[in-house]
Amino acid sequence: GQQLNQSPQSMFIQEGEDVSMNCTSSSIFNTWLWYKQDPGEGPVLLIALYKAGELTSNGRLTAQFGTTRKDSFLNISASIPSDVGIYFCAGQLRNFGAGKSTFGDGTTLTVKP
Amino acid sequence: EAQVTQNPRYLITVTGKKLTVTCSQNMNHEYMSWYRQDPGLGLRQIYYSMNVEVTDKGDVPEGYKVSRKEKRNFPLILESPSPNQTSLYFCASSSTSNHQDGDQDTQYFGPGTRLLVL
Repeated sequence: GQQLNQSPQSMFIQEGEDVSMNCTSSSIFNTWLWYKQDPGEGPVLLIALYKAGELTSNGRLTAQFGTTRKDSFLNISASIPSDVGIYFCAGQLRNFGAGKSTFGDGTTLTVKP
Repeated sequence: EAQVTQNPRYLITVTGKKLTVTCSQNMNHEYMSWYRQDPGLGLRQIYYSMNVEVTDKGDVPEGYKVSRKEKRNFPLILESPSPNQTSLYFCASSSTSNHQDGDQDTQYFGPGTRLLVL
């Protein structure tokens, strides 16, 4: 199946710093999704992207659908301790929520107060 | 309250003993999926369903079955569990909108079922 390369694998940052992470794929997707997972919980959808080049924000989070449709980026500005968790990207060929989903392996974020 | 429930939350079983993990959603969502998550890895999709009686394989369907007889329920069945199916399992449901009047696509994951097969 399709594979997503998510990087970095982990990040250790100071509170207040900005964070960037990305996902790349060898093939195109029509929908890109970003999730956050806290320990012992299921993933929570943060941002959904639907068109190449699209830039979408959700509070301090901003995500972009790459113009090649093979990559996506997530930025977190002014990080705070509650940003700690694992962030996953996912790509879908079909419309949002429908059909096959392929997930990256996650970026573990640690924020030092 | 929008909710995806899974039962059981924890299960220890033995190789070959059939089991079912239930998933239920109260949002009238069309789409439902099952995923497994193993340490250090992202979620891998097992099966998905586009609507009642419409199911298809994800990336790792071997050893699993599903059914979608009602819109709200999407059980995951392991006919003959093996130790390599020891994992954390998540069910998810989602729905798309026309993105008008402030409507947004929604997706919710269940709390997870931790399965150990001895």
